[in-house]
Amino acid sequence: EPEVTQTPSHQVTQMGQEVILRCVPISNHLYFYWYRQILGQKVEFLVSFYNNEISEKSEIFDDQFSVERPDGSNFTLKIRSTKLEDSAMYFCASNRDQTLGQPQHFGDGTRLSIL
Amino acid sequence: GDSVTQMEGPVTLSEEAFLTINCTYTATGYPSLFWYVQYPGEGLQLLLKATKADDKGSNKGFEATYRKETTSFHLEKGSVQVSDSAVYFCALTMNSGGYQKVTFGTGTKLQVIP
Repeated sequence: EPEVTQTPSHQVTQMGQEVILRCVPISNHLYFYWYRQILGQKVEFLVSFYNNEISEKSEIFDDQFSVERPDGSNFTLKIRSTKLEDSAMYFCASNRDQTLGQPQHFGDGTRLSIL
Repeated sequence: GDSVTQMEGPVTLSEEAFLTINCTYTATGYPSLFWYVQYPGEGLQLLLKATKADDKGSNKGFEATYRKETTSFHLEKGSVQVSDSAVYFCALTMNSGGYQKVTFGTGTKLQVIP
């Protein structure tokens, strides 16, 4: 069964550094998402992306964050200048369309640790 | 805004016990409802879903029924196994300007002991 894949599985970065988290969505999917889960808290929506532009973003997704689909397969989340509070598990997700009940398929996540 | 409330964990059960994890939601309109499961060290996997009132989602012995009158989507399993130990997330999606996003509950950790 096709999967969403994320790399790396664990990223350790110094505060203030830029970090790029990478995702390969399922190949025939058109809608892409990033979520994050701070340790012990709920999974929170960050951003959705369709047709090479952001369709919706949450309050968390401030100017430090950006997303890009640089080619036909990758979908990236960039954090420009990381803060300690950016430490979390980041999940990428995708789905084929917006049909009612169409589930989003999630990757295994990237654990980001900011030192 | 939309929200999902699920019972606090952790829940510890003996093998073959009956499981219920309560989930209620608040939404303007008619959401689609989901249960996702996260096994240790893994990502979020769709367990089951329901898209309209009185629908029952089922998978791997788990069931949940979309109850509009009580705005609930409780997860049940008749006989749990050690391999069911995981974190279970109740979630909903709504169409928002034509685009969907998932709103998750806080997750309930289930530990099944032999």
